[in-house]
Amino acid sequence: QSALTQPASVSGSPGQSITISCTGTSSNVGSYKLVSWYQQHPGKAPKLMIYEGSKRPSGVSNRFSGSKSDNTASLTISGLQAEDEADYYCCSYAGSSTWVFGGGTKLTVL
Amino acid sequence: QVQLQESGPGLVKPSQTLSLTCTVSGGSISSATYYWSWIRQHPGKGLEWIGFIYYSGGTYYNPSLKSRLTMSVDTSKNQFSLKLSSVTAADTAVYYCARDQIGVVPFDYWGQGTLVTVSS
Repeated sequence: QSALTQPASVSGSPGQSITISCTGTSSNVGSYKLVSWYQQHPGKAPKLMIYEGSKRPSGVSNRFSGSKSDNTASLTISGLQAEDEADYYCCSYAGSSTWVFGGGTKLTVL
Repeated sequence: QVQLQESGPGLVKPSQTLSLTCTVSGGSISSATYYWSWIRQHPGKGLEWIGFIYYSGGTYYNPSLKSRLTMSVDTSKNQFSLKLSSVTAADTAVYYCARDQIGVVPFDYWGQGTLVTVSS
């Protein structure tokens, strides 16, 4: 069960948009709509930001959006703010009631 | 608002068994809507799904950990537990418990996490 592939780091200036990719295989991302994204600030628990590929939980800013194409899911953050600086993890259902996470991406707001 | 809280020893000796409990408040662990999960994070690393348990006791484990894992649930105490046997330094991590809305929203609520160090 290999981890999903994410870039180690991305950066952007306040107000800009960034996109974080999450590449899996036909055994996980490519076969299921159950891709989710989590934000984690240092020393804190992860927070759900996107589920089912593109849905936002109540309370999550609409600056966060998700999409999926074939074996790759993406998280886009528009109108970057300083508070968005954090680690971001994707997660996909992998069949047989198992889940797999990505390696994480560190977002730096310049 | 549902809350989850991990508890257990912060230090475990190599070859021994790591035991953690997650107490759920603000909601019933006996709901048919949820799985109850364990996830860990090695220091400075990414997240790893360990497994989850249903209120009836049904379990699903990460294949890479399955041979060493046991999960259980105590509905009377609104708690679920994790036991990981034969630990090594590679099991040193922050362990989180989380709730999973079956088939819809994975890991929508998390505990704060607890650091478990494996060392003699």
